[in-house]
Amino acid sequence: DTGVSQDPRHKITKRGQNVTFRCDPISEHNRLYWYRQTLGQGPEFLTYFQNEAQLEKSRLLSDRFSAERPKGSFSTLEIQRTEQGDSAMYLCASSPFDRAGTGELFFGEGSRLTVL
Amino acid sequence: AQSVTQLDSQVPVFEEAPVELRCNYSSSVSVYLFWYVQYPNQGLQLLLKYLSGSTLVKGINGFEAEFNKSQTSFHLRKPSVHISDTAEYFCAVSEVGTALIFGKGTTLSVSS
Repeated sequence: DTGVSQDPRHKITKRGQNVTFRCDPISEHNRLYWYRQTLGQGPEFLTYFQNEAQLEKSRLLSDRFSAERPKGSFSTLEIQRTEQGDSAMYLCASSPFDRAGTGELFFGEGSRLTVL
Repeated sequence: AQSVTQLDSQVPVFEEAPVELRCNYSSSVSVYLFWYVQYPNQGLQLLLKYLSGSTLVKGINGFEAEFNKSQTSFHLRKPSVHISDTAEYFCAVSEVGTALIFGKGTTLSVSS
């Protein structure tokens, strides 16, 4: 299977701990996105990369959140000093470069975070 | 900045009935419009998209949507639903060079 994969699928942590999620995009896709989805809401945009460059960050991405894509392939999303409000599904998506920006995304199944 | 409003949070229907899921958007420039579907315990997948051209767009599983620029709407329709269409449906909009912005979703529940 060559879809978007995310790891871990589930993470339970205590408030104040740090957590890291990994995303492996479809191999030929050079754009990678992170979204967050809470119960009853649609996915909320967090940030995206084109190759290794982080091109846009949402105001939702507080200074406790950091994302990297060091070699333009996989990406990590780290949350420091987790809070209960960080509990959500973290979604990764990738897309091939498209100059027109048509925005079709291919999503992984998500990483569910529960902060106790 | 663009935004999306899905007018119904839940839509219950009987099998073989027609369904319409409503979506309105706001944007000051040209947009691209999408519908994604999320089946239980699965990732989001693209149902259909409008980029340009014909305002009636056909997607997978018999769904279609119509772009109405004057109404700023992109409603999703299916003439006859199946139990297997039970899922969460998300309308999304993007402008050139920007990330997709999603609505809050509509839960379609199909019963026999």
